[in-house]
Amino acid sequence: NAGVTQTPKFQVLKTGQSMTLQCAQDMNHEYMSWYRQDPGMGLRLIHYSVGAGITDQGEVPNGYNVSRSTTEDFPLRLLSAAPSQTSVYFCASSLQGADYGYTFGSGTRLTVV
Amino acid sequence: GQQVMQIPQYQHVQEGEDFTTYCNSSTTLSNIQWYKQRPGGHPVFLIQLVKSGEVKKQKRLTFQFGEAKKNSSLHITATQTTDVGTYFCASQVAGNNRKLIWGLGTSLAVNP
Repeated sequence: NAGVTQTPKFQVLKTGQSMTLQCAQDMNHEYMSWYRQDPGMGLRLIHYSVGAGITDQGEVPNGYNVSRSTTEDFPLRLLSAAPSQTSVYFCASSLQGADYGYTFGSGTRLTVV
Repeated sequence: GQQVMQIPQYQHVQEGEDFTTYCNSSTTLSNIQWYKQRPGGHPVFLIQLVKSGEVKKQKRLTFQFGEAKKNSSLHITATQTTDVGTYFCASQVAGNNRKLIWGLGTSLAVNP
């Protein structure tokens, strides 16, 4: 099993550009989520999904869109990149229920110039 | 809203010394999870505690959940350089069993 796969690992964007961060998991996890991690800010939830076709906003959703057409994939779209979106982005997944920890992808380091 | 406070923010120890990080909440927590993130890496799930007063051990790591389920601790005995990283606690948001509230983490540095 590959676990949670994120692509790309690194990306530089110009202000105003759009892009999609990919996340795929092969563990049949129902729950998937996107976090951003900034120095001193910890992990902040952007969007999450409890299953195919169901998504919801986290604490910092502005400027990002998600969709969940399959159980395996949960892409994150940046609509019009801004320097404030420079961050490390992590995708995480888990089984439903209260007894399971999250499995994280290796992250995407995004710089917006 | 529900918050989880983690202290200290940073800890620098000599190899062989013990280390403890604490996670505190003003509200009762349904559970507590602990993760470790190596420098440049991603968070890795270590353990989950659910029961009041629960204590779990993983080799040199001891995890405790307070009797009132408002605090938790991670203790590392005789630190090694491989313990370097940031340790996060997280707890499920009340009423949403898959959404987590995260502490800001404790960064551990170990001098060889």
